[in-house]
Amino acid sequence: DTEVTQTPKHLVMGMTNKKSLKCEQHMGHRAMYWYKQKAKKPPELMFVYSYEKLSINESVPSRFSPECPNSSLLNLHLHALQPEDSALYLCASSHLGRGGYGEPLHFGNGTRLTVT
Amino acid sequence: AQKVTQAQTEISVVEKEDVTLDCVYETRDTTYYLFWYKQPPSGELVFLIRRNSFDEQNEISGRYSWNFQKSTSSFNFTITASQVVDSAVYFCAPSNFGNEKLTFGTGTRLTIIP
Repeated sequence: DTEVTQTPKHLVMGMTNKKSLKCEQHMGHRAMYWYKQKAKKPPELMFVYSYEKLSINESVPSRFSPECPNSSLLNLHLHALQPEDSALYLCASSHLGRGGYGEPLHFGNGTRLTVT
Repeated sequence: AQKVTQAQTEISVVEKEDVTLDCVYETRDTTYYLFWYKQPPSGELVFLIRRNSFDEQNEISGRYSWNFQKSTSSFNFTITASQVVDSAVYFCAPSNFGNEKLTFGTGTRLTIIP
C-alpha cells in the first residue's frame, strides 16, 4: 500500500468547472511535489513545496493553483482547464525537501483527470 | 539541465530470464544522484535504486543489480530471474545534487511472458 494517498482516483470535469485534487502523507516528509504524466510519456514536474513554501513552479499555467495547507497535505486547484490537460496527476513527497540529496520520492497512485 | 536516454522502448522476455535496462545520461554537474523507478499498470511510481555520482561501486540487491559507469555516463539496471510481476515501465532519473528536480527518461516498457 502506498503511503501517499491521492483523491479522487478518477475525475471528469468540464472546461468551466472548478475542482481540486488532494494529496496526503504522514511520513513526516517536508517536501511535496506535483507531477503531470501524459499517456506513454514520463512524468513532468509541475510544482515543489519545501517546508510548506512553494520553491519550484515549472512555468505551469495559472489554471493550475497549488496549495500546501500544512506539512501533510497538498492540494491542486483546477479551473478552466483544457482537454489537453487530461493526464495522470501524481503527487510525491520526500525527506528534507531535497530530492537532489539522494532522498527518493514516494509517489501516490495518482488522479486520472479527463477534461471534456 | 540533464538529459536521459533510454534507447529501449519496449522489451519482452520469458519469465526467469535475466534482463538489462539501459540508461545513458548527460549532465554538467560534477555531483548528482541517479535513480531507477518502476511504474506498474496501477500507476504508482515505485522507487527501486539510487546511486550517487561519487560512488561507482556496483551492487546487488536481491534480484536487482546495477552497473554505474561514470566514464560512459551509463547507469544500467538488471533484473535476474525475471517474474511476471516485474512487468512495468521502468524509468531512469538523474537528479541534480542539492536540487529537487528529477529528470525522468522516456521509460522502457518491460513485459515478462509467463
